Amino acid sequence: LAKTTQPISMDSYEGQEVNITCSHNNIATNDYITWYQQFPSQGPRFIIQGYKTKVTNEVASLFIPADRKSSTLSLPRVSLSDTAVYYCLVGEGEAAGNKLTFGGGTRVLVKP
Amino acid sequence: NAGVTQTPKFQVLKTGQSMTLQCAQDMNHNSMYWYRQDPGMGLRLIYYSASEGTTDKGEVPNGYNVSRLNKREFSLRLESAAPSQTSVYFCASSEIYWGRWGAFFGQGTRLTVV
Repeated sequence: LAKTTQPISMDSYEGQEVNITCSHNNIATNDYITWYQQFPSQGPRFIIQGYKTKVTNEVASLFIPADRKSSTLSLPRVSLSDTAVYYCLVGEGEAAGNKLTFGGGTRVLVKP
Repeated sequence: NAGVTQTPKFQVLKTGQSMTLQCAQDMNHNSMYWYRQDPGMGLRLIYYSASEGTTDKGEVPNGYNVSRLNKREFSLRLESAAPSQTSVYFCASSEIYWGRWGAFFGQGTRLTVV
């Protein structure tokens, strides 16, 4: 499981775009980049995954540069309900014996 | 589809009591995990089972035991509960290649040890 570094917290306002960058300098060739969202008192929810370039779904976009040493989760036009902790994970699964560990995540607070 | 189901949702134990937290998934996933999350903190892996028939220690296994009963079910046992085990416990499941397909979590069990 590649080591990741992401900001501890970020504040934003409703309607703004939030970008969270995750650094993963030792990402391996087979590794995928996965982001999870956790609301208070709930289990984490898988929101997006990518390998390279850009991925977009109904919740977020994920930008991955060519060297794959970092990635940016973009949340467009956030609302109060986007207040959550966002976790960046990098790995493939089998190579790590399928051990799945989480870092501290980024606590995003959306203000009115 | 229920996804990952944990029981119970809430539990209060006295110090020294034992209990088993149950987890079942209906997605035919090979891998299952148990985490604990203390207030304001991140998730810490207790034990995991990469596939049916195997279990391995995670980051904080002391005081816990697990059983992978079958492909669907993975239980977590506290033999002698301690106040330090007061936490929210999450169970998760995934395919072997969690990096590609993601992991899915239950709603958690809130455990208080008094």
